[in-house]
Amino acid sequence: AQSVAQPEDQVNVAEGNPLTVKCTYSVSGNPYLFWYVQYPNRGLQFLLKYITGDNLVKGSYGFEAEFNKSQTSFHLKKPSALVSDSALYFCAVRDNGASKIIFGSGTRLSIRP
Amino acid sequence: GAVVSQHPSWVICKSGTSVKIECRSLDFQATTMFWYRQFPKQSLMLMATSNEGSKATYEQGVEKDKFLINHASLTLSTLTVTSAHPEDSSFYICSAPRLGQDNQPQHFGDGTRLSIL
Repeated sequence: AQSVAQPEDQVNVAEGNPLTVKCTYSVSGNPYLFWYVQYPNRGLQFLLKYITGDNLVKGSYGFEAEFNKSQTSFHLKKPSALVSDSALYFCAVRDNGASKIIFGSGTRLSIRP
Repeated sequence: GAVVSQHPSWVICKSGTSVKIECRSLDFQATTMFWYRQFPKQSLMLMATSNEGSKATYEQGVEKDKFLINHASLTLSTLTVTSAHPEDSSFYICSAPRLGQDNQPQHFGDGTRLSIL
């Protein structure tokens, strides 16, 4: 069965500093990995995905993520955080043989001015 | 702009009422749509997979008779919460992958906040 873990409920970072939001996954086959962001009372917005190819993927709003097969991780990163990045972030995984996506528990990112 | 429209965005109603939530793909076809439930400060819990022209597939523990799903066309799925009670209050979100693009990110609606008094 596929699963995804986000070990941090909350991440606090000062504006301008780099940020990392952690994600690890478990699938039986090759993973499709996604990061989404959610603002209050809204649906999820897609940030980036890894399907195949280069392990470092770049996405929206300056975010990037690195796929690490040996560590089964897909951490979200940004070199310089903005206050407007404050939101709830979800990592998600889909086994390439499955149709549904499983979401992590979410990490609340708080960027202080 | 939005590619998945969810309506209504907010519902407040009395206990015992049935509430219908619509999920529409605006510029693409979707044979499959997904319905999620999200409790405050928690992740999205997949409730069911809506399949166009056939029965929905429900996740374990989700009551089929309580949460009725209909996917009558390639652009519309509906979730009806029947005889809603306060414990059904939650944020419901739908999503849809574009037809034939299962490895692409799903598009999400903006969610429906359901409050049962």
